[in-house]
Amino acid sequence: ETGVTQTPRHLVMGMTNKKSLKCEQHLGHNAMYWYKQSAKKPLELMFVYSLEERVENNSVPSRFSPECPNSSHLFLHLHTLQPEDSALYLCASSWSHSPGDGYTFGSGTRLTVV
Amino acid sequence: AQSVTQPDIHITVSEGASLELRCNYSYGATPYLFWYVQSPGQGLQLLLKYFSGDTLVQGIKGFEAEFKRSQSSFNLRKPSVHWSDAAEYFCARGDKVIFGPGTSLSVIP
Repeated sequence: ETGVTQTPRHLVMGMTNKKSLKCEQHLGHNAMYWYKQSAKKPLELMFVYSLEERVENNSVPSRFSPECPNSSHLFLHLHTLQPEDSALYLCASSWSHSPGDGYTFGSGTRLTVV
Repeated sequence: AQSVTQPDIHITVSEGASLELRCNYSYGATPYLFWYVQSPGQGLQLLLKYFSGDTLVQGIKGFEAEFKRSQSSFNLRKPSVHWSDAAEYFCARGDKVIFGPGTSLSVIP
């Protein structure tokens, strides 16, 4: 039990589908993150939410749309994805969006776009 | 320019041998530094962190890391590796929110 739960664990979707990834934490953390992990590439920070407000958006295509309805939940809405979007999507949380806070990661959602 | 580098893509060690994984960071203000481990099919787990104080920090699972400002390094060490330590290891920088490319560790029985 990592404290951060991601669902689903695996997802296969067509390029015209719309799906959502869910992340949930009950650690009392105030910051949540989406990362993309592709083979042979460093982890890419996609979005940062602090106290439910988006504070960073690292030039992510608009086909990825995050939502943070409360401090415990984070979603990543997906639509019209491309095959190169296939990757492991990791959610993380931390006490605050502070450089000294370590992250607690979920186990990730393995996304395959066909 | 990349802020965190891990020179070794893959390392193989024998079980019971000592381990050192290298991490270098580019110049900047106080580098909040972390080491994470990722087992296959899992997310990342925090091993240890440094941002001030004693330059030798202890972490979980018997790991330690030493911050050396003169060498811009934060190398991870373990005196005796167990087969269960086989995983991907990531060095990260908190002030830049950047992860290194990772080092894959294999352990030979």
